[in-house]
Amino acid sequence: AQSVTQPDIHITVSEGASLELRCNYSYGATPYLFWYVQSPGQGLQLLLKYFSGDTLVQGIKGFEAEFKRSQSSFNLRKPSVHWSDAAEYFCAVGARTHNFNKFYFGSGTKLNVKP
Amino acid sequence: DAGVTQSPTHLIKTRGQQVTLRCSPKSGHDTVSWYQQALGQGPQFIFQYYEEEERQRGNFPDRFSGHQFPNYSSELNVNALLLGDSALYLCASSGASGPAYEQYFGPGTRLTVT
Repeated sequence: AQSVTQPDIHITVSEGASLELRCNYSYGATPYLFWYVQSPGQGLQLLLKYFSGDTLVQGIKGFEAEFKRSQSSFNLRKPSVHWSDAAEYFCAVGARTHNFNKFYFGSGTKLNVKP
Repeated sequence: DAGVTQSPTHLIKTRGQQVTLRCSPKSGHDTVSWYQQALGQGPQFIFQYYEEEERQRGNFPDRFSGHQFPNYSSELNVNALLLGDSALYLCASSGASGPAYEQYFGPGTRLTVT
């Protein structure tokens, strides 16, 4: 069965420090992979996505993620965190059936940024 | 270009009541999915509508039903509300012309059941 695990519920980093949020997935085939960000009271905004090809993908707001098939991971990184990055981050797997896009989400990682 | 819109923003209902939530997809999109996000959890897939039919359903009881209209907008109906139905309900749309696997989310409807 498909599943997504985000092992870190809360993470606190200092502004300007680097960030890595972990995501592991379980899926029978090569998945579509996504990272979304959610600010309090808001919907989900797509940060980046991986479908195929280069395993290092760039997203908005200076984020990047690396797909590692051998580790079933898709970790999100940012070299220098800004206070405005404080939010909740969700990793998602898209079920790869033709023309059908059901997503499985992790439980999220809440990021706090210290000044 | 308006993105995905949802109404109402917030809703308070009593146990046993029924509720209807509404969603308008992003312009050019024809597929609407609904998700339930309980407090502290990730979104969980409820169902997806395409061409006015339910195409796929998650692990939710029949109390949860939906509809899609010819203009691609959609409604989520929940009958016999339980306290556990309190959550943020998210609508996501995607388009047949673009990558079908790329979904755009609305801001959600916060449902509180008392």
